[in-house]
Amino acid sequence: QPVLTQPPSSSASPGESARLTCTLSSDINVGSYNMYWYQQKPGSPPRYLLYYFSGSDKGQGSGVPSRFSASKDTSANTGILLISGLQSEDEADYYCMIWSSNTYVFGGGTKLTVL
Amino acid sequence: EVQLVESGGGLVQPGGFLRLSCVVSGFTFSDYEMSWVRQAPGKGLEWISYTSVTGRTTNYVDSVKGRFTISRDNAKKSLHLQMNNLTVEDTAVYYCARVGNNHGFDIWGQGTMVTVSS
Repeated sequence: QPVLTQPPSSSASPGESARLTCTLSSDINVGSYNMYWYQQKPGSPPRYLLYYFSGSDKGQGSGVPSRFSASKDTSANTGILLISGLQSEDEADYYCMIWSSNTYVFGGGTKLTVL
Repeated sequence: EVQLVESGGGLVQPGGFLRLSCVVSGFTFSDYEMSWVRQAPGKGLEWISYTSVTGRTTNYVDSVKGRFTISRDNAKKSLHLQMNNLTVEDTAVYYCARVGNNHGFDIWGQGTMVTVSS
């Protein structure tokens, strides 16, 4: 069972950018997977943000602003969610996820605080 | 409007059972794979089950294999999760989620709470 590791918390100021990471266990290669990102606010279900496989294979969720974007650092076996122009409403928990053969694995989530 | 509405949660004793349902509207249910995802209080998301569009292919996380069964009724636009031999570790909010064209969960229900306690 692959493991996705996310830092428990992160913080940034309004207007700045937040870089949230999701590191895959060494038995799997981030370059081989779609990585999905979700946002969850207290008391609400998760919201699908986007998926990223490569620069030419990615997709934004319906209604998700373009200031949410993703990438991969293959040297670190890590997926990255970048939120630019931070707003107070971006304060939430963020989860990464991968899919393989009808099996899904979530990271533990990162609580993003907008200071 | 695309909508998923779960029901069937509640308080149950350890060893008991519950059947969750998810009724959908606003899209062609039979065109989409579906999943169940749960979230224990104060914890992260955990995928627990998947079904193909026909229901012939299913999959489960190891912790629920042999105890939970996912099923669907395309005519009634409904998804179900039969949960048997429940333990306190199954206490969570259970979400149904639509599997989008790129295999992500693009639509989520509001969730139904399951509490396993004596």
